[in-house]
Amino acid sequence: ETGVTQTPRHLVMGMTNKKSLKCEQHLGHNAMYWYKQSAKKPLELMFVYNFKEQTENNSVPSRFSPECPNSSHLFLHLHTLQPEDSALYLCASSHAGGNTYEQYFGPGTRLTVT
Amino acid sequence: GENVEQHPSTLSVQEGDSAVIKCTYSDSASNYFPWYKQELGKRPQLIIDIRSNVGEKKDQRIAVTLNKTAKHFSLHITETQPEDSAVYFCAAEGDYKLSFGAGTTVTVRA
Repeated sequence: ETGVTQTPRHLVMGMTNKKSLKCEQHLGHNAMYWYKQSAKKPLELMFVYNFKEQTENNSVPSRFSPECPNSSHLFLHLHTLQPEDSALYLCASSHAGGNTYEQYFGPGTRLTVT
Repeated sequence: GENVEQHPSTLSVQEGDSAVIKCTYSDSASNYFPWYKQELGKRPQLIIDIRSNVGEKKDQRIAVTLNKTAKHFSLHITETQPEDSAVYFCAAEGDYKLSFGAGTTVTVRA
């Protein structure tokens, strides 16, 4: 699969579990993003990485921990989540800097916290 | 930070009619305004964008207009078709990141 891929596509976890979401981009981009998409709400930016460095943490609770080992891979580590964290988690990538901010999205991970 | 408001939240149109979605933004320094379409169960996909140095841009049946003075921009879909049914999101760039509107659910009635 080309573009931006995410695994798993669906995840059900208990509040005491630890899991990780994975995102990979095959577009040669150097910026990657995590968004949370809940019903009836705008897309919420969670984290931004430019050239593997975190440049944005949008007041996200510490139970969400991002990791960006290189410009092509992005992880979101989850632990002790709450039911209200159930949502679609979208990864996106773009070129950093310059004059374009066009973001390409992955298919998302549908997370359910029980 | 940037605040983007989008209206209406839902829009139902007869096939063949036009649909218009409007967004306002708060940061006068923003200069990039994309529109994304998200079909049910799929990822958001960019359908058109506009930069602050132009007032209007068209691509077949879709067009976007921008009024920088009033800080609002709009998406226009003409001759709507059933495949236009989706959720549409506007966004504005501020501080090198995008802020999104809450989305408009468009339903095209056959």
